Amino acid sequence: ILNVEQSPQSLHVQEGDSTNFTCSFPSSNFYALHWYRWETAKSPEALFVMTLNGDEKKKGRISATLNTKEGYSYLYIKGSQPEDSATYLCALHSSNTGKLIFGQGTTLQVKP
Amino acid sequence: DGGITQSPKYLFRKEGQNVTLSCEQNLNHDAMYWYRQDPGQGLRLIYYSQIVNDFQKGDIAEGYSVSREKKESFPLTVTSAQKNPTAFYLCASSIGGSPLHFGNGTRLTVT
Repeated sequence: ILNVEQSPQSLHVQEGDSTNFTCSFPSSNFYALHWYRWETAKSPEALFVMTLNGDEKKKGRISATLNTKEGYSYLYIKGSQPEDSATYLCALHSSNTGKLIFGQGTTLQVKP
Repeated sequence: DGGITQSPKYLFRKEGQNVTLSCEQNLNHDAMYWYRQDPGQGLRLIYYSQIVNDFQKGDIAEGYSVSREKKESFPLTVTSAQKNPTAFYLCASSIGGSPLHFGNGTRLTVT
């Protein structure tokens, strides 16, 4: 079983704080790394799909980096806002099986 | 508008009964996935299909069955062999290396 680990499990920050989360994954059979945001009562929404070692992607105040050789990705949120409160999921897309395996997620709570 | 439809939103069944969850997409996506979420846990892969008439077991396939007779449809049957069927079930689809599109989920309660 592929093991995708996310840390921390949960995070409480004040509005305006910057924060980051980690996703760790086995580096063998890597095809792509996905990041999703999952807000309460909604479906998960894609943030990024990253495929190349050293990839950096940005969407507004959210950015992500990828290191496929050491098997980790970081998600950064700059100047957190209450509307950023959600669970952030990463998923590893395996090249040899086609499986998309999710980590357990990091739940972010941003206090006004 | 293209999307994925899961029905019903809530489903209640008695223990020992099989139940089928529907998942339909009109996005022309090749790949479809079923995930299960339990409280405090992430999404766990039940089954996935990369092409019509073919599907593979995920990490927790025991007690579940699927079919992929049409590109648009990937129904999941929760059988009486599934020991803890009460959960939230999410269906998703994708094409190539694109991100997953998710349905709104079905919350199954078995008593």
